[in-house]
Amino acid sequence: ETGVTQTPRHLVMGMTNKKSLKCEQHLGHNAMYWYKQSAKKPLELMFVYNFKEQTENNSVPSRFSPECPNSSHLFLHLHTLQPEDSALYLCASSQGTTLQETQYFGPGTRLLVL
Amino acid sequence: AQTVTQSQPEMSVQEAETVTLSCTYDTSESDYYLFWYKQPPSRQMILVIRQEAYKQQNATENRFSVNFQKAAKSFSLKISDSQLGDAAMYFCAYRTYNQGGKLIFGQGTELSVKP
Repeated sequence: ETGVTQTPRHLVMGMTNKKSLKCEQHLGHNAMYWYKQSAKKPLELMFVYNFKEQTENNSVPSRFSPECPNSSHLFLHLHTLQPEDSALYLCASSQGTTLQETQYFGPGTRLLVL
Repeated sequence: AQTVTQSQPEMSVQEAETVTLSCTYDTSESDYYLFWYKQPPSRQMILVIRQEAYKQQNATENRFSVNFQKAAKSFSLKISDSQLGDAAMYFCAYRTYNQGGKLIFGQGTELSVKP
């Protein structure tokens, strides 16, 4: 599956570091999403962008800062994270945001905060 | 809070046999979509099957089918003729207008397939 790519695939960072996660979709979609997947917990939606505009912020702490420069790219900027932020971060895209739209997921970035 | 419950954290099936993964959800909406996603060990989540709440007929995709019981708010996934490649985490999810179109996921069921 190469429709949605994410880099890096693995990231280890200290609590004082600043890093960014990148997501790119090659499907011509207009909506992009960030999800957090922690062990033994359901996926949690973090942010939604539709036509580059943020339409959803699911009460995410400000140490996570998304950026969507165009419909094909989505970034998640990380700074002063906590160990409990360690998780798999999944990016997804869909044609639109209507109910029936299928979301296509990337492989994820496995983040470890020390 | 609107939730999705997958009561089976782990399931196991013999190759070529049939297995059913259960899912229940809680919503007051009448129109919504239900989804089953598969996440293999490589971690790329892919859609297995989806069902619109207004459709009476259960969705089918090759060896995958659902048993949608709207009144009971149940949406189970049946995998027939199980294959080794079916081993993965399976997530049930739904979307409603009330939730702003957000996908609400269950906790997942880890399916193992024995040769």
